[in-house]
Amino acid sequence: QVELQESGPGLVKPSETLSLTCTVSGGSVSGNYWNWIRQPPGKGLEWIGYIYYTGSANYNPSLKSRATISLDTSKNQFSLNLRSVTAADTAVYFCAGSSPGSLNWFDPWGQGTLVTVSS
Amino acid sequence: DIVMTQSPDSLAVSLGERATINCKSSQSVLSSSNNKNYLAWYQQKPGQPPKLLIYWASTRESGIPDRFSGSGSGTDFTLTISSLQAEDVAVYYCQQYFSTPLTFGGGTKVESK
Repeated sequence: QVELQESGPGLVKPSETLSLTCTVSGGSVSGNYWNWIRQPPGKGLEWIGYIYYTGSANYNPSLKSRATISLDTSKNQFSLNLRSVTAADTAVYFCAGSSPGSLNWFDPWGQGTLVTVSS
Repeated sequence: DIVMTQSPDSLAVSLGERATINCKSSQSVLSSSNNKNYLAWYQQKPGQPPKLLIYWASTRESGIPDRFSGSGSGTDFTLTISSLQAEDVAVYYCQQYFSTPLTFGGGTKVESK
């Protein structure tokens, strides 16, 4: 079965770039949509965006063009860069897959990684 | 954007009793091309990622107990736990995948009374 694991710094300074990577194991990144979702402490879920295995991407306009998602098929990984972060970007960041060939529900999910924005 | 509104924010139910969670979308998530509702439900326990329970509004994910059921169409949906078990205490979210940006409801916290 496919498993996802997020990795990256747990602390980022304000105005800098948050960078996270999701490693896919037990399957290939080909044929799927791959997503980033975040959850501020004690709050709800916000979809950040996806990348399709072809390289096409789509982002939540709420992030005001600060997000970039990329794919590395050779490493079976996809990554998130979020620029110009503020304290409001403090959250648990999840990577998640969608059903092969379709952008729909999210399954599987990574365990999530907490990123704190603070000086 | 399609806004998803869940109600109530929280509810306390006795073990063995029914729990009902509502989710309303700001526009229809029913596709006229395939007559499917583009809505999913998730369960999230503390410190864990959300777990997919139901998709297409009423299709139970493999391995999900049949006490969980989803219903509704268009803009109004319901997740029902027919007989609450201790392990069902969690926060539940609905999510639409009809259009981007994909959006979630605010969550409903289910506790045992």
